[in-house]
Amino acid sequence: GDSVTQMEGPVTLSEEAFLTINCTYTATGYPSLFWYVQYPGEGLQLLLKATKADDKGSNKGFEATYRKETTSFHLEKGSVQVSDSAVYFCALSFTGTASKLTFGTGTRLQVTL
Amino acid sequence: GAGVSQSPRYKVAKRGQDVALRCDPISGHVSLFWYQQALGQGPEFLTYFQNEAQLDKSGLPSDRFFAERPEGSVSTLKIQRTQQEDSAVYLCASSLGRGWASTDTQYFGPGTRLTVL
Repeated sequence: GDSVTQMEGPVTLSEEAFLTINCTYTATGYPSLFWYVQYPGEGLQLLLKATKADDKGSNKGFEATYRKETTSFHLEKGSVQVSDSAVYFCALSFTGTASKLTFGTGTRLQVTL
Repeated sequence: GAGVSQSPRYKVAKRGQDVALRCDPISGHVSLFWYQQALGQGPEFLTYFQNEAQLDKSGLPSDRFFAERPEGSVSTLKIQRTQQEDSAVYLCASSLGRGWASTDTQYFGPGTRLTVL
């Protein structure tokens, strides 16, 4: 079945460091890909998405590019802030399945001063 | 405007008890989803409604789990004869859901944390 694999956390970075969180997927066909973020004490929020190969999703300084050849959707940010500390989830869905999401296990990011 | 709300936020049940978890979606959202999130894991799909119709219940782990959305708005997830393995956070999400092929953004509620003793 469809699945999403994320790098294990926690990831601990100093403020202004470069962030990469790896995400790869296994799926039959070409899904839409998402990054969701969960800040402490809050619900899941959509961070960015890409719906076809080579699309780049971006939001709040975060970017991810849909790479069909490597089945990857790695999340990057050039300079993290303490306020980016959260759990990040990579997910996929297919059109025609009412967009039910298949999530990875999540990666906790801790940014320190 | 108001987001997705869920109640209760926390629920402690003794093994064997029945529980009911409520979800109030964003007004006007056609699609409603339930997910189960075990500790340290990502959410896993349970079931999906389009208005009052339950179109996909493939993720419900057993026949002890039952969901309804009788008027196409508020939804209730019921778990009968709870077991310890049911302990998890139960998330509800809603989207505009303009049809089966929709890829509208899902908006998540804060979840209900269920602990079965």
